[in-house]
Amino acid sequence: DSGVTQTPKHLITATGQRVTLRCSPRSGDLSVYWYQQSLDQGLQFLIQYYNGEERAKGNILERFSAQQFPDLHSELNLSSLELGDSALYFCASSRHLYEQFFGPGTRLTVL
Amino acid sequence: AQSVTQLGSHVSVSEGALVLLRCNYSSSVPPYLFWYVQYPNQGLQLLLKYTTGATLVKGINGFEAEFKKSETSFHLTKPSAHMSDAAEYFCAVSSITGANSKLTFGKGITLSVRP
Repeated sequence: DSGVTQTPKHLITATGQRVTLRCSPRSGDLSVYWYQQSLDQGLQFLIQYYNGEERAKGNILERFSAQQFPDLHSELNLSSLELGDSALYFCASSRHLYEQFFGPGTRLTVL
Repeated sequence: AQSVTQLGSHVSVSEGALVLLRCNYSSSVPPYLFWYVQYPNQGLQLLLKYTTGATLVKGINGFEAEFKKSETSFHLTKPSAHMSDAAEYFCAVSSITGANSKLTFGKGITLSVRP
């Protein structure tokens, strides 16, 4: 158990819908990262937050957004969902810049 | 820009045999290098990391990796494979700038262990 929690574990929805994925980092970790894992793209970095502020952006679509709240939990919002958005979404947190701890992931299925 | 190349998508070894998973990286700045393992239906677990200092790093479950700057490599080894080592392994590189330390992953290698 990494100490990072993600909810829900599974999510099934339809095209065009909007979903919110939630992540609670390890106690004391200020950085939260979101990654997408799909069969064709592999593991891709989406976005990083540090103590509530966006720090880095990767291959994140404009339909996707994220935020980190004062209690340091983070949410990833995915809207206008397409079939190709079906993937595993991981959250990771870190205290030190060079060690990230991953949550168990949320499996999103878009039908 | 950073990138990671993991040659081959699948490696199969016999139980007790040497495990060697290859990783080559590209980075414009001194890299930090990582190996993660992913068991079926689970998240990623850090096996080991190289930041600075000793180039041979030891990790959990008997794995180790050696950073070779001249070869831009960070291959993962284990002297004797165990059935429980069957999983997917990802090599990753990070170049830390400020408070930005995103990981760039390779495509992963599936390790199978034959009895």
